Amino acid sequence: AQSVSQHNHHVILSEAASLELGCNYSYGGTVNLFWYVQYPGQHLQLLLKYFSGDPLVKGIKGFEAEFIKSKFSFNLRKPSVQWSDTAEYFCAVTGNTGKLIFGQGTTLQVKP
Amino acid sequence: KAGVTQTPRYLIKTRGQQVTLSCSPISGHRSVSWYQQTPGQGLQFLFEYFSETQRNKGNFPGRFSGRQFSNSRSEMNVSTLELGDSALYLCASTLRAEGGYEQYFGPGTRLTVT
Repeated sequence: AQSVSQHNHHVILSEAASLELGCNYSYGGTVNLFWYVQYPGQHLQLLLKYFSGDPLVKGIKGFEAEFIKSKFSFNLRKPSVQWSDTAEYFCAVTGNTGKLIFGQGTTLQVKP
Repeated sequence: KAGVTQTPRYLIKTRGQQVTLSCSPISGHRSVSWYQQTPGQGLQFLFEYFSETQRNKGNFPGRFSGRQFSNSRSEMNVSTLELGDSALYLCASTLRAEGGYEQYFGPGTRLTVT
């Protein structure tokens, strides 16, 4: 069955701490991988994506993610978080279609 | 370019009623997908439309239906509403990029069923 698992449901960090959010997927065939962010009161925004090529992808606001095919993982990282990064983060996977399968989401709270 | 627009933004309905939600994709995008977001189930795929044809469907009962018009605008309909249908309904506009599809989400319609 196709699925996405996000390891952490709720993460609390202090400003300037490093962030890593885990994401593992189960999906047959070619995968496209995404991280979306939902800031309080705002709609889902695309943070970054992986289609093919370099497994280390960079997104907006200093975020990056690494695709490790052997581990079926696509973890999100940021070296130094800011209070404004407080949001909910969703990992998602799809094949070459418009059907996204989302993880349950990780709520990140950054303390100033 | 204007983003994805969804109307109405908020809706309150009574059990047994039906509801129609509307989505206008980003100009030039021909594919629209719909998702349901709830605290318990998270984000779940409802269906995808491309060129007025349903291309993919999620695991929802037949009470949930949709359609797409020739201008790419899409509507989804839920008939015989149940309390459990209370959710944020999101529409995503799809861009065919090099290597895959990117989806851009609208603000959603918050449906409350009483």
